[in-house]
Amino acid sequence: AQRVTQPEKLLSVFKGAPVELKCNYSYSGSPELFWYVQYSRQRLQLLLRHISRESIKGFTADLNKGETSFHLKKPFAQEEDSAMYYCALSTRMDSSYKLIFGSGTRLLVRP
Amino acid sequence: EAQVTQNPRYLITVTGKKLTVTCSQNMNHEYMSWYRQDPGLGLRQIYYSMNVEVTDKGDVPEGYKVSRKEKRNFPLILESPSPNQTSLYFCASTGLAGGTQYFGPGTRLLVL
Repeated sequence: AQRVTQPEKLLSVFKGAPVELKCNYSYSGSPELFWYVQYSRQRLQLLLRHISRESIKGFTADLNKGETSFHLKKPFAQEEDSAMYYCALSTRMDSSYKLIFGSGTRLLVRP
Repeated sequence: EAQVTQNPRYLITVTGKKLTVTCSQNMNHEYMSWYRQDPGLGLRQIYYSMNVEVTDKGDVPEGYKVSRKEKRNFPLILESPSPNQTSLYFCASTGLAGGTQYFGPGTRLLVL
């Protein structure tokens, strides 16, 4: 079954501390993975996708196929990083395309 | 400006009163989708559409209907709303090549 698991509902860190938001996936095909962010009272927006291998706002994520993980990392958290983060997996089967979201992790960065 | 719009943004209704939430995108995207967002449950897909006149159920389709008569519009219909459909709803679109999903601003629905 296709599934995305984010084990932490809430992650609280102090400003300047490293952050790692965990994401594990289950998919038999070749995965395409994303991180979306939702700031307070705003719409979801793409943070990064694994195929672009970019660093956005200091965040990076590496796809580890052996561990089926796509953890999101930032070496020094900032207060403005406080938001809801969703890991997502896109799947293709025949002519069908689907985006499956994890349950999300709320990141709280305290001063 | 590329965008996904939803209307209304906020809606309070009563059980059983039919309602429609509209969704429109101006990016000529083939794929459109509806999600509901509930605390602790994240985003769950209600319905999606691969193109005009092609729709399919997501993970939580019960109590909802959709239609895709035009490429740009993908309305969500609640024929007989119930209190358990109180939620925050998001529409999204993406091109068939995949990639970034663009989300609407959300519609907060309260069913009394």
